[in-house]
Amino acid sequence: NAGVTQTPKFRVLKTGQSMTLLCAQDMNHEYMYWYRQDPGMGLRLIHYSVGEGTTAKGEVPDGYNVSRLKKQNFLLGLESAAPSQTSVYFCASRSFPNKGTGELFFGEGSRLTVL
Amino acid sequence: DQQVKQNSPSLSVQEGRISILNCDYTNSMFDYFLWYKKYPAEGPTFLISISSIKDKNEDGRFTVFLNKSAKHLSLHIVPSQPGDSAVYFCAASEPGSQGNLIFGKGTKLSVKP
Repeated sequence: NAGVTQTPKFRVLKTGQSMTLLCAQDMNHEYMYWYRQDPGMGLRLIHYSVGEGTTAKGEVPDGYNVSRLKKQNFLLGLESAAPSQTSVYFCASRSFPNKGTGELFFGEGSRLTVL
Repeated sequence: DQQVKQNSPSLSVQEGRISILNCDYTNSMFDYFLWYKKYPAEGPTFLISISSIKDKNEDGRFTVFLNKSAKHLSLHIVPSQPGDSAVYFCAASEPGSQGNLIFGKGTKLSVKP
């Protein structure tokens, strides 16, 4: 029972390099999210998707792009990485219309360091 | 400006005692509130939630209290156990069908044996 899987778990980039984080969920959830966690900042929403083929901006979208070509996958891209994007990234998903509890299922996180 | 605030970055409690984690919010339109628990190197996991129309929800050792007039909620853990040591995030669900969650900064709970 995999749940939400993120790859890679760790990555070190140089400033200006690009990369893509992959999130895959096997729970047939409609909604998917990308958050970043920084010390003393909690979890901040980067982008989210309410269904296949749709994406929307969250609280801190600048410098990131996303795509949801398949329902089970949500990709987070950094076109030109900056040191300010050093963070731990969490993907999450939830079903619709399970808004009642609002429960999100999180992946284990991807630690990205930009030098 | 923060809509969900956890003003205590850390809390230390003796095993067997009560742990009380607090959370304040500013938007009276939030319709659900949730607590998540996070261990190091793991993703957050859902702990307990409460609807804005309730004032208390209990699940085993965990109870969440909501005071809408004060825009305040709290998570009580009784009795506290060393395995409860983790970072606890308070979150609020935005109104509307999408209901994005807004998280507080978290409180690190340490339960001493």
